[in-house]
Amino acid sequence: DVKVTQSSRYLVKRTGEKVFLECVQDMDHENMFWYRQDPGLGLRLIYFSYDVKMKEKGDIPEGYSVSREKKERFSLILESASTNQTSMYLCASSLVGTIETQYFGPGTRLLVL
Amino acid sequence: AQSVTQLDSQVPVFEEAPVELRCNYSSSVSVYLFWYVQYPNQGLQLLLKYLSGSTLVKGINGFEAEFNKSQTSFHLRKPSVHISDTAEYFCAVSDMIAGYGNKLVFGAGTILRVKS
Repeated sequence: DVKVTQSSRYLVKRTGEKVFLECVQDMDHENMFWYRQDPGLGLRLIYFSYDVKMKEKGDIPEGYSVSREKKERFSLILESASTNQTSMYLCASSLVGTIETQYFGPGTRLLVL
Repeated sequence: AQSVTQLDSQVPVFEEAPVELRCNYSSSVSVYLFWYVQYPNQGLQLLLKYLSGSTLVKGINGFEAEFNKSQTSFHLRKPSVHISDTAEYFCAVSDMIAGYGNKLVFGAGTILRVKS
């Protein structure tokens, strides 16, 4: 059974803190993605990675960075958290290819106070 | 760039009634379309996808969707819903990233509320 896990289901941080969200997949997928989900806006792509140490900006990368040191792990970093980054964060992975299904983790609900 | 519009933010329906969730996409030469479902407090899982071929696509849990190129639509249907179908449904279109595969562009989501 395919599995994408995220390090925390719920997280509360203070403004200005550095925040790490971790994602691990056990399917040997090349591609990994970070999305944020907000009511009425659906999912928006923050960053994706198509290989170890490779990353590309998505549609809303401002205020975020990522790290992929190993194939199975993709980290999202909020360098200095702000209240407008309060959101649900979803990680996904897929094989390379235009028609490949993306598999999602359960999400991390982040509250920045 | 591709875009997706889900025409209803919420759809209330009684149990055992039919339902249609509407999705329109921006026109493109070739298009790959997906419906994902998110149950409460869970991540997204794939319901079905259209890649090519038959315009009627069958998915899991009795759902199906019809690809209509002239209407640029990909509406999701189920003939008889259950309480357990209560969830948020996302339509998505694949947008190619040359050399890297695809990224998904999602609609805003439709919350399906099934009432007894």
